[in-house]
Amino acid sequence: RKEVEQDPGPFNVPEGATVAFNCTYSNSASQSFFWYRQDCRKEPKLLMSVYSSGNEDGRFTAQLNRASQYISLLIRDSKLSDSATYLCVVKIWLYFYGQNFVFGPGTRLSVLP
Amino acid sequence: DTEVTQTPKHLVMGMTNKKSLKCEQHMGHRAMYWYKQKAKKPPELMFVYSYEKLSINESVPSRFSPECPNSSLLNLHLHALQPEDSALYLCASSQEPGADTQYFGPGTRLTAL
Repeated sequence: RKEVEQDPGPFNVPEGATVAFNCTYSNSASQSFFWYRQDCRKEPKLLMSVYSSGNEDGRFTAQLNRASQYISLLIRDSKLSDSATYLCVVKIWLYFYGQNFVFGPGTRLSVLP
Repeated sequence: DTEVTQTPKHLVMGMTNKKSLKCEQHMGHRAMYWYKQKAKKPPELMFVYSYEKLSINESVPSRFSPECPNSSLLNLHLHALQPEDSALYLCASSQEPGADTQYFGPGTRLTAL
């Protein structure tokens, strides 16, 4: 089983739609959780960190359920510029070695006019 | 300055070549990372440097040799690469080894012949 799994995608949605991405992780030593976006042939960029209390940044809402080892990202009123691959990332602390960031396989989103 | 720079942007090398990838940051970050990203796959961690010392080596072949000459620079020396080594090589940094936020450079797109 992969350490971080995501919806396989791709998601093709019309402008203005609401879209939700799901992510699960298997390592209970996971400490911190993030959503990154990556545009084609570009580097990943941090979209938002994810907290147990849930957090919102404009049209984006992230949720974390530690008991279920599940993370979600909701995008409301999607824009053409939201088209990208969304990567779920988990930080695992390895006691003697420091931290390890593990990336999920990503879910591709295409917002259509 | 919140930028991680990488050179070169593109690199083509044959099996007998020796080349180096360079990464630089001037944010005073004390943790630096090398990732490898194949097409349509997520980034995979290769090496982590914490306070200029190698702390994680994720079973990377010896034809990849990292070096951290000072706190701002990270190199990846390449020798006798195989075609399957063709990928985008991403450098990242974070303020401290335990910090949550990673800043990625734009990457070097490597083609190994």
